[in-house]
Amino acid sequence: AQSVTQLGSHVSVSEGALVLLRCNYSSSVPPYLFWYVQYPNQGLQLLLKYTSAATLVKGINGFEAEFKKSETSFHLTKPSAHMSDAAEYFCAVSTTGTASKLTFGTGTRLQVTL
Amino acid sequence: EPEVTQTPSHQVTQMGQEVILRCVPISNHLYFYWYRQILGQKVEFLVSFYNNEISEKSEIFDDQFSVERPDGSNFTLKIRSTKLEDSAMYFCASSLGPTQHFGDGTRLSIL
Repeated sequence: AQSVTQLGSHVSVSEGALVLLRCNYSSSVPPYLFWYVQYPNQGLQLLLKYTSAATLVKGINGFEAEFKKSETSFHLTKPSAHMSDAAEYFCAVSTTGTASKLTFGTGTRLQVTL
Repeated sequence: EPEVTQTPSHQVTQMGQEVILRCVPISNHLYFYWYRQILGQKVEFLVSFYNNEISEKSEIFDDQFSVERPDGSNFTLKIRSTKLEDSAMYFCASSLGPTQHFGDGTRLSIL
């Protein structure tokens, strides 16, 4: 079985500050890992993914994440927050099968203040 | 960029009624999924579908639920007799490989 833990249901940062959203996973097999973003009244948009290539993954909107097997982590970072980054962020894990289900964390709501 | 489209965006139904949620996956994708998100909770997997049959289903996906790909473009989720606890946002997703692309969801409200 797989699971994801996202520490911090709400994170607040100032505009221009570093964004760090934490994700730890549990998986009995090598995982694929994903970060999705959800803006109000919208669906889930893929930010970035780790599928067993480079451990440092760059995504859209300046976000990146690093897969650390020893720490079972896949934390999401962005050097400088923008007001438009305010949204809900979900970390998800799947197995390496092609049509494997996604198991999501509980999400982190990011607030960006002036 | 191709999108997954879901209709309707909001469905209101009386308890005990049947409801069909519709999805048009990305045209060249082969794998299809339904997820749901109860208000304030995390996104949960319901079912995956490939080659006209269910690949995997969760405990939530009981006999009240069914999925169908009636033609080459649509993918539907049917709830036979809705309960209050079926109220949630339902997301359709499709994929060609490991990356799943999601629609904007259908908000289902059971009265």
